[in-house]
Amino acid sequence: LAKTTQPISMDSYEGQEVNITCSHNNIATNDYITWYQQFPSQGPRFIIQGYKTKVTNEVASLFIPADRKSSTLSLPRVSLSDTAVYYCLVGDYTGGFKTIFGAGTRLFVKA
Amino acid sequence: GAVVSQHPSWVICKSGTSVKIECRSLDFQATTMFWYRQFPKQSLMLMATSNEGSKATYEQGVEKDKFLINHASLTLSTLTVTSAHPEDSSFYICSLFSAGDGYTFGSGTRLTVV
Repeated sequence: LAKTTQPISMDSYEGQEVNITCSHNNIATNDYITWYQQFPSQGPRFIIQGYKTKVTNEVASLFIPADRKSSTLSLPRVSLSDTAVYYCLVGDYTGGFKTIFGAGTRLFVKA
Repeated sequence: GAVVSQHPSWVICKSGTSVKIECRSLDFQATTMFWYRQFPKQSLMLMATSNEGSKATYEQGVEKDKFLINHASLTLSTLTVTSAHPEDSSFYICSLFSAGDGYTFGSGTRLTVV
């Protein structure tokens, strides 16, 4: 199982772009990278998933370098409602894997 | 994508009593579901893997006699906290895995034991 490392916390202001990087040095060939968002007293919610290069959806972008040993979640123009904990998970999505959550990154967006 | 319904969202119980938490897959037949526990300001910790029609697989350090898991159908897994004590107070979350959507999580259950 690929272990992940993220910054414990980050602060930002409304309207700024926020980039959260996750390190996963022992990622396996079949592993995908998925990011989740969790608000207090709620379950994690899927944000974005990727395998390599860049993926973009309506809420975020995910940048994955060629060696895939890290990934960066990019949140454009954050708002107060983006204050949450963000987790990256790495694993083989073709067959399921045991979810080992790292500490996550606590993002605090200020006005 | 897969939809997971978890119930109740919060529960308060007296010490020594048992509490059952339900996790339903609304549109996906889940042979496997997962249960997590999360303490304040901490990450999710996988407690056990629930297997339809067979025994659950518990993570190291999780008491199987205290946290009873039943996965009797492809759409329902239950976690029963038996003889609950204040230290069992926590946020419990379930999830399922589907090849198309990856992991989908329930909304969680806040258990408070008084």
